[in-house]
Amino acid sequence: GNSVTQMEGPVTLSEEAFLTINCTYTATGYPSLFWYVQYPGEGLQLLLKATKADDKGSNKGFEATYRKETTSFHLEKGSVQVSDSAVYFCALSDQQAGTALIFGKGTTLSVSS
Amino acid sequence: GAVVSQHPSWVICKSGTSVKIECRSLDFQATTMFWYRQFPKQSLMLMATSNEGSKATYEQGVEKDKFLINHASLTLSTLTVTSAHPEDSSFYICSARDTGGRSHSPLHFGNGTRLTVT
Repeated sequence: GNSVTQMEGPVTLSEEAFLTINCTYTATGYPSLFWYVQYPGEGLQLLLKATKADDKGSNKGFEATYRKETTSFHLEKGSVQVSDSAVYFCALSDQQAGTALIFGKGTTLSVSS
Repeated sequence: GAVVSQHPSWVICKSGTSVKIECRSLDFQATTMFWYRQFPKQSLMLMATSNEGSKATYEQGVEKDKFLINHASLTLSTLTVTSAHPEDSSFYICSARDTGGRSHSPLHFGNGTRLTVT
């Protein structure tokens, strides 16, 4: 079945450091890929998405490229801020409309000033 | 943008009582809504898919008689935790996709409900 694997956290960085959170997936067909962010005490917010191979999703300085050859969708940011501290979830959705997202286990990011 | 409203945001109840959680899509219609459960420091586990006008589809291992789901309209789904026990304490999150959306349309999430059973 479909699944998402994320790097284990927590990830602890200093402000302005480079961030990479690895995400790989297993899926049949051509899924859509997403990164969601959950700030403390809040629900999930969509951060970015990519719907086909080689697409790059980007938002708020975060980027992720859909790599079909490596079945990956790694999240990157060139310079993190304290306000980026949150839990990040990689997720996939298969081709059929009406299906739920499958999430990775989440990676906690903590950025200190 | 699309908004999903979940209510209440937190609730404390006594063991043996039932609790109802509402999930509303405020500015779009959702034929399908999804209920997730999140354990501390863990990922979201899909509990069930709520289908407007028909029975919900439950994931393996989720007790349908304990977690009652009703999706009476295109903008409202409810999850009722019946005869709650302390092990039901968790963070419950609903989500919905615009009825006209395709699989690559993102799910919109409610802010979640923190349930504590004493």
